[in-house]
Amino acid sequence: DAGVIQSPRHEVTEMGQEVTLRCKPISGHNSLFWYRQTMMRGLELLIYFNNNVPIDDSGMPEDRFSAKMPNASFSTLKIQPSEPRDSAVYFCASIRGFNEQFFGPGTRLTVL
Amino acid sequence: SQQGEEDPQALSIQEGENATMNCSYKTSINNLQWYRQNSGRGLVHLILIRSNEREKHSGRLRVTLDTSKKSSSLLITASRAADTASYFCATGTINNNDMRFGAGTRLTVKP
Repeated sequence: DAGVIQSPRHEVTEMGQEVTLRCKPISGHNSLFWYRQTMMRGLELLIYFNNNVPIDDSGMPEDRFSAKMPNASFSTLKIQPSEPRDSAVYFCASIRGFNEQFFGPGTRLTVL
Repeated sequence: SQQGEEDPQALSIQEGENATMNCSYKTSINNLQWYRQNSGRGLVHLILIRSNEREKHSGRLRVTLDTSKKSSSLLITASRAADTASYFCATGTINNNDMRFGAGTRLTVKP
């Protein structure tokens, strides 16, 4: 299996622009997670899905952030409009049941 | 919050020594998982221990779980310079899979 796939790997954008991050979980995994990592706040859980349904989005910082999972093999995290404080590494991870959680390589986002 | 909290925050040892990191959590769990992250890289899954297990081994790694104390430890034996990384624990609660992380332990192994 190719593992969790994220794209793009790096994104540089200007303040106010829309940013869309993409994730393809491991085939057969039924839970998907979006995390954000910064030096100041560490690794934060933003939102997670079970069977494509959002279960807990309490970690989403603001209404500017939204996430979707239209099917079992694809999810997006969108920031609109983006701000410099959104600069971070965004990770996607997936799990099958209550088993090992596997992470993607992350997307390094820089908002100028 | 049921997130794991690691201690110490930082640990520096000599190559060949053992490294022990601890993780505490607050709620009942289904499982606890340890991860490693090299600087600027993604998280790599190391080991999963379930709530009905007390100890697990994987190569030079040994993980223990004490559910009565809500704590876990990760022992790396015969450490190597390549073990230098940040180590995180995350817990999955009984009913949900909302894996949350602590701040991690930064391990430095000096050659």
